[in-house]
Amino acid sequence: GAVVSQHPSWVICKSGTSVKIECRSLDFQATTMFWYRQFPKQSLMLMATSNEGSKATYEQGVEKDKFLINHASLTLSTLTVTSAHPEDSSFYICSARFEGLETQYFGPGTRLLVL
Amino acid sequence: GNSVTQMEGPVTLSEEAFLTINCTYTATGYPSLFWYVQYPGEGLQLLLKATKADDKGSNKGFEATYRKETTSFHLEKGSVQVSDSAVYFCALWGRTGGFKTIFGAGTRLFVKA
Repeated sequence: GAVVSQHPSWVICKSGTSVKIECRSLDFQATTMFWYRQFPKQSLMLMATSNEGSKATYEQGVEKDKFLINHASLTLSTLTVTSAHPEDSSFYICSARFEGLETQYFGPGTRLLVL
Repeated sequence: GNSVTQMEGPVTLSEEAFLTINCTYTATGYPSLFWYVQYPGEGLQLLLKATKADDKGSNKGFEATYRKETTSFHLEKGSVQVSDSAVYFCALWGRTGGFKTIFGAGTRLFVKA
């Protein structure tokens, strides 16, 4: 099946710094990638949808300037958490989808801890 | 709008017991339905899917049938193993949902040896 990787898997940073998380589709071209946030013992919350070469579409309540998403190529999307604060600590999961198909392939997730 | 409702967990079973996790959905049109599984500390993996009414998705001993008349997609397994302990998410995807996957809240399963 299709493989999606995320890097890093774990990151600990100081409050006020920025953190970049990469999401790569390893064996297919993903025209659409999704970024989710998951709090402990809760479901996934969609943060934004990104299409290659265009601006991301953010869900209501998600700060665009706080969570910068770039989808520069068909195999790479990045999420940058700017000026991170402890409340940004969470599990961030990306997924990727072939154009026009319904199945999403998920990355293994990135756990962010902001001190 | 589209939504997915799952039975609340946690569900605790003994090894070799029968598993049912209920899932019902609300959607217009004909969405595709999915079950995803999340093992501790990991992302989600697609477990099975069904794209039209009466389809049965199956994988690794798990099954779910797309029932349009009851708007349900219940997950079943005849004999669970300790390694099946995980969180299971029911989800739907459809045109009327703007091509976004809608997830249920997740059901945590514990299987005891």
